[in-house]
Amino acid sequence: QKEVEQDPGPLSVPEGAIVSLNCTYSNSAFQYFMWYRQYSRKGPELLMYTYSSGNKEDGRFTAQVDKSSKYISLFIRDSQPSDSATYLCAMGRDNTDKLIFGTGTRLQVFP
Amino acid sequence: DAGVTQSPTHLIKTRGQQVTLRCSPKSGHDTVSWYQQALGQGPQFIFQYYEEEERQRGNFPDRFSGHQFPNYSSELNVNALLLGDSALYLCASSLPSENGVTDTQYFGPGTRLTVL
Repeated sequence: QKEVEQDPGPLSVPEGAIVSLNCTYSNSAFQYFMWYRQYSRKGPELLMYTYSSGNKEDGRFTAQVDKSSKYISLFIRDSQPSDSATYLCAMGRDNTDKLIFGTGTRLQVFP
Repeated sequence: DAGVTQSPTHLIKTRGQQVTLRCSPKSGHDTVSWYQQALGQGPQFIFQYYEEEERQRGNFPDRFSGHQFPNYSSELNVNALLLGDSALYLCASSLPSENGVTDTQYFGPGTRLTVL
């Protein structure tokens, strides 16, 4: 079993839809939870960073962490065609900078 | 403010050859991590450098080695290349973790290595 599981998609939605992206994990020691966006043939770009449980909002993006269920989510409101990319979840533990990534979910937002 | 830069952008090598990839961290960052991203997969941690020393290492063979210079830039070297080494190699920079708290990692655009 992988430490981090993420549905690879693709996920195809119309412009303006609310998108929900999710990851599950098995290691209860994870304390840091991140979402990165990666456009084709580019490096990952940090979208959200959350420590421990709770919600965090930044513009159209909301990140949620449920440590009891070992489940994290990223919501994108009013999705735009420019949001079309691969979304990677990443997690880390205390006292290590090593990040464990999911495989990424490919999102396509069509006009 | 310059972000993380990597060179070269693309590279084609043949099996058995050696390759060196380069990374300059984001301004103000002194910690560099390297990741390998195979097609359709998430990045996998190779190792991290801080104060010119390897501080952490992932599950990669000794063929993968690195170096960090006094100006915090870093190199990744891969010897005896295999077909399976074909991937996007990503460099990420950050401040060092303090009191166990991980700092945010910022990624460069990557170097795409193709091994024939």
